[in-house]
Amino acid sequence: QKEVEQDPGPLSVPEGAIVSLNCTYSNSAFQYFMWYRQYSRKGPELLMYTYSSGNKEDGRFTAQVDKSSKYISLFIRDSQPSDSATYLCATASGGSYIPTFGRGTSLIVHP
Amino acid sequence: DAEITQSPRHKITETGRQVTLACHQTWNHNNMFWYRQDLGHGLRLIHYSYGVQDTNKGEVSDGYSVSRSNTEDLPLTLESAASSQTSVYFCASSPEGGSTDTQYFGPGTRLTVL
Repeated sequence: QKEVEQDPGPLSVPEGAIVSLNCTYSNSAFQYFMWYRQYSRKGPELLMYTYSSGNKEDGRFTAQVDKSSKYISLFIRDSQPSDSATYLCATASGGSYIPTFGRGTSLIVHP
Repeated sequence: DAEITQSPRHKITETGRQVTLACHQTWNHNNMFWYRQDLGHGLRLIHYSYGVQDTNKGEVSDGYSVSRSNTEDLPLTLESAASSQTSVYFCASSPEGGSTDTQYFGPGTRLTVL
């Protein structure tokens, strides 16, 4: 079992929908949680970063961490076709500078 | 603006040849990483470095090597390319003491080994 599990999708939604992307992890030592967005044929780019449990909001994006259930979520409100990409979650315990990545979920937002 | 670049962006080579992929960052980050990304496997760590003269093996290091002679560059060498090394390769960097474990990725090199 990988330390970070993520459904590969694809997840297809209509424009304007609320999108929920999720990951589960197994290592209770993880304290840092990240979401990366990767457009086709591009490198991943950091989208959201949170420490410990709770929510973090940035525009249309909300990252949520539930450490009790080892569950990470990314919500996208009013989704746009430009949000179509692969979203990778990542977790880390801190100090090693090496995150553990999920395999990514492919999101397609159709007009 | 600071950035991380990779070259070449595309490379086709033959089995058995030595190949070197370049990675250059202008952020002055101490930490640099090489990943490969394949369908069904996601990102897998090949090698990483915490500073000049420091190199470490990742989970899929067999057949690859790196050297770190300055802060800006971490070239990845495939000693004798194999078809199993056909993949997309990403270089990344992160600052020491920054937002812990967040990484900044290059645009990738698509390598095909025939």
